[in-house]
Amino acid sequence: DQQVKQNSPSLSVQEGRISILNCDYTNSMFDYFLWYKKYPAEGPTFLISISSIKDKNEDGRFTVFLNKSAKHLSLHIVPSQPGDSAVYFCAASYLGGTSYGKLTFGQGTILTVHP
Amino acid sequence: NAGVTQTPKFRVLKTGQSMTLLCAQDMNHEYMYWYRQDPGMGLRLIHYSVGEGTTAKGEVPDGYNVSRLKKQNFLLGLESAAPSQTSVYFCASSFSGTPYGYTFGSGTRLTVV
Repeated sequence: DQQVKQNSPSLSVQEGRISILNCDYTNSMFDYFLWYKKYPAEGPTFLISISSIKDKNEDGRFTVFLNKSAKHLSLHIVPSQPGDSAVYFCAASYLGGTSYGKLTFGQGTILTVHP
Repeated sequence: NAGVTQTPKFRVLKTGQSMTLLCAQDMNHEYMYWYRQDPGMGLRLIHYSVGEGTTAKGEVPDGYNVSRLKKQNFLLGLESAAPSQTSVYFCASSFSGTPYGYTFGSGTRLTVV
């Protein structure tokens, strides 16, 4: 039972354009969402996050949108750069006392940005 | 400042062999986690620890054991390796046990033949 899903295995965009990566979740208990970026032979690195009390969070070229009613979040990268080419993982958690910071990950989306 | 260090980086095992993966962190973090990454599955939590001397099961704990005898180390053991345990294993640590503030290691690629 995949509680966090990234239905697009890959995405290809042109440099300078917008990249939109999508993520859906099913567990209503999730109230904190994160995006991680992963390069080959490296561990995931934190990119941006959003709490369920917000619907948008921005950090430079990266913006995450959360639609709680649809249980959907998206990551926008504007403008996309070749160095953004990586695997992007969506992750979800909840801030309750027994969570202990455990993360539930989506399958990942491979983003390729062409020069 | 090393962060989270995983050893070894690569390993090939024969079915039935045993091995231990070591995760070491130098950030004085209380919480540590072991995940495995498989194609099309994302990362899945195997076991985690909320402090020295504690361990708990995650989503996919079968076939693995863990120990946290020292705060800085979290060991993942495979007693009798199976081909289904071929995967990339990531260790992570967190100071507060919240979803933010994770630091991941660079991974161990394990192949069981």
